[in-house]
Amino acid sequence: QLQLQESGPGLVKPSETLSLTCTVSGGSISSSSYYWGWIRQPPGKGLEWIGSMYYSGSTYYNPSLTSRVTVSVDTSKNQFSLKLTSVTAADTAVYYCARLIYGGVVAGTPTAFFDYWGQGTLVTVSS
Amino acid sequence: QSALTQPASVSGSPGQSITISCTGTSSDVGSYNLVSWYQQHPGKAPKLMIYEVSKRPSGVSNRFSGSKSGNTASLTISGLQAEDEADYYCCSYAGSMVFGTGTKVTVL
Repeated sequence: QLQLQESGPGLVKPSETLSLTCTVSGGSISSSSYYWGWIRQPPGKGLEWIGSMYYSGSTYYNPSLTSRVTVSVDTSKNQFSLKLTSVTAADTAVYYCARLIYGGVVAGTPTAFFDYWGQGTLVTVSS
Repeated sequence: QSALTQPASVSGSPGQSITISCTGTSSDVGSYNLVSWYQQHPGKAPKLMIYEVSKRPSGVSNRFSGSKSGNTASLTISGLQAEDEADYYCCSYAGSMVFGTGTKVTVL
């Protein structure tokens, strides 16, 4: 059974960089057809997709966050990471990592959905 | 890239059927049959309930069904049960992934 687990600081100061890691177990992050992504949820609010990446390095970011976001992968550790720079209180949220089934949108059979999620980790931006 | 529009809340009595709408545009919901639905209980991670508009993952009850017409997708829960009380989010591919605003389902 695939499992994802987020880890990282629960408190970040304003203007600093938020860094989180997602450890994948029960499967390889290098498997074809799978992308890996980050989604966040501010307290009491809805879900927001942050970005996704393929193990080879291809990345896709939410246009509203693209200037501040970097998603990267470490295949040797079966982990992928999120960095969000210049954070403000508006970035306070539960951050989820998830596996994205994605492909075939340009040619072939299109698909795009998140099938496995981590339990989420609350990151608070405060001085 | 604006969030897809869902009703804030929907309620129903046990055994009844309810439908949650998810309205987008011709650039997202209307362009692709790539709408998925997620159930989220308080304090828990979202759970995939429907993908590609109407497909159910293994293990999801057949009381959950999805459909789409034009720019609006819908999730129907039939035979409503107490355990269905949760928040529900739609999501569509739109060149990137965009979520809906979320709907709180209350079982009366």
